[in-house]
Amino acid sequence: EPEVTQTPSHQVTQMGQEVILRCVPISNHLYFYWYRQILGQKVEFLVSFYNNEISEKSEIFDDQFSVERPDGSNFTLKIRSTKLEDSAMYFCASTDLNEKLFFGSGTQLSVL
Amino acid sequence: DAKTTQPPSMDCAEGRAANLPCNHSTISGNEYVYWYRQIHSQGPQYIIHGLKNNETNEMASLIITEDRKSSTLILPHATLRDTAVYYCIVRAPPGKLQFGAGTQVVVTP
Repeated sequence: EPEVTQTPSHQVTQMGQEVILRCVPISNHLYFYWYRQILGQKVEFLVSFYNNEISEKSEIFDDQFSVERPDGSNFTLKIRSTKLEDSAMYFCASTDLNEKLFFGSGTQLSVL
Repeated sequence: DAKTTQPPSMDCAEGRAANLPCNHSTISGNEYVYWYRQIHSQGPQYIIHGLKNNETNEMASLIITEDRKSSTLILPHATLRDTAVYYCIVRAPPGKLQFGAGTQVVVTP
């Protein structure tokens, strides 16, 4: 079965640094999402992306966050100046007809 | 999106059927019922979804009541690998999936 691929699996960064989390969605999918999960908490929606623009975003997705689809295959989440509270597992997801969302295995971000 | 109510936890014996209830009394006509599960901080995994009719696939069955205010996910023969948090989510595409706390299912030998 096709998979959503996320890299890196673990990322450690210093507070205030920029990080880019990368995702390769399933190839014929059109809708893309980022979620995050702080340890022990719920999976939280961050942003959805369709037709090269953000279609919906949560309160968490402030000016420090941005998303991009730089080419036909990658989908990235950038955090401009990381904070301690950004430490979480970040999941990318994609879907075609917007029915089943397929999730990647996540990037564990640790901000020190 | 409509909210859902699930029991926080349940146990199931290996080899037995696991029946996971979900209440969604405020569901709208265009909202589907989705079930996902998350095994130990892995990415959420799609199980099944439906609108009105009961659905079955290789993983599970979904029973939706006639008034659509509740549903039950059935894992027909639970295995130890089915231990996970199970999420019932109602969603009107193309909207987001909104995860709640889910039901922690523990399958015991």
